[in-house]
Amino acid sequence: QVQLVESGGGVVQPGGSLRLSCAASGFTFNNFAMHWVRQAPGKGLEWVAVISFDGNNKYYADSAKGRFTISRDNSKNTLFLQMNSLRVDDTGLFYCARGDGYGYEGIDYWGQGTLVTVSS
Amino acid sequence: QAVLTQPSSLSASPGTSASLTCTLRSGINVASYKVYWYQQRPGSPPHYLLMYKSGSDNQRGSGVPSRFSGSRDTSANAGILLISGLQSEDEADYYCMIWHRAVMVFGGGTKVTVL
Repeated sequence: QVQLVESGGGVVQPGGSLRLSCAASGFTFNNFAMHWVRQAPGKGLEWVAVISFDGNNKYYADSAKGRFTISRDNSKNTLFLQMNSLRVDDTGLFYCARGDGYGYEGIDYWGQGTLVTVSS
Repeated sequence: QAVLTQPSSLSASPGTSASLTCTLRSGINVASYKVYWYQQRPGSPPHYLLMYKSGSDNQRGSGVPSRFSGSRDTSANAGILLISGLQSEDEADYYCMIWHRAVMVFGGGTKVTVL
């Protein structure tokens, strides 16, 4: 069965950096686009970024452009999100999610999330 | 004006039906988009329910009961999630989503309470 396990969250000061990872299993990782979606405490879902199946194409939310970088290692079935210049309003649960196989349009599986707290 | 607008809450009784709407901003035609729906129970990640674009282009997620169905109202420019035979386990937040101009957009979510 599809499994997505995020790691790398933690507490960081404003202006700091974190690198999130997502270990994928139960499907052919290099056939699917992959997304990061975040959720601030008590708030709704906010998409962060997507990467194509081969890593050649990437798209970002305006809030992530210039600060976050999505990448993948298909040899290790792992997705990454490098986050720099973190702000207090970046605090939240970050989910790794699998594209539904039809371009970038949908998500069909989600991980459990990793918590990022940005605080001084 | 937000790209996707959902009512913040909805209450219904067990066994009845609930119709959740997701209204697309003027100028964004619902007939041109796949509208996705996700359920999020408290303390859990979102769960994919279904996608609806048209009568011939729609899909329910793996293991999702048939009492969850999708449709659209072109006159209201809205996607619709219909939950039939409401059960207590359906109490959750429900989010709609579209892929619009190289950005994935989520609605603000509807909290469904089963009274």
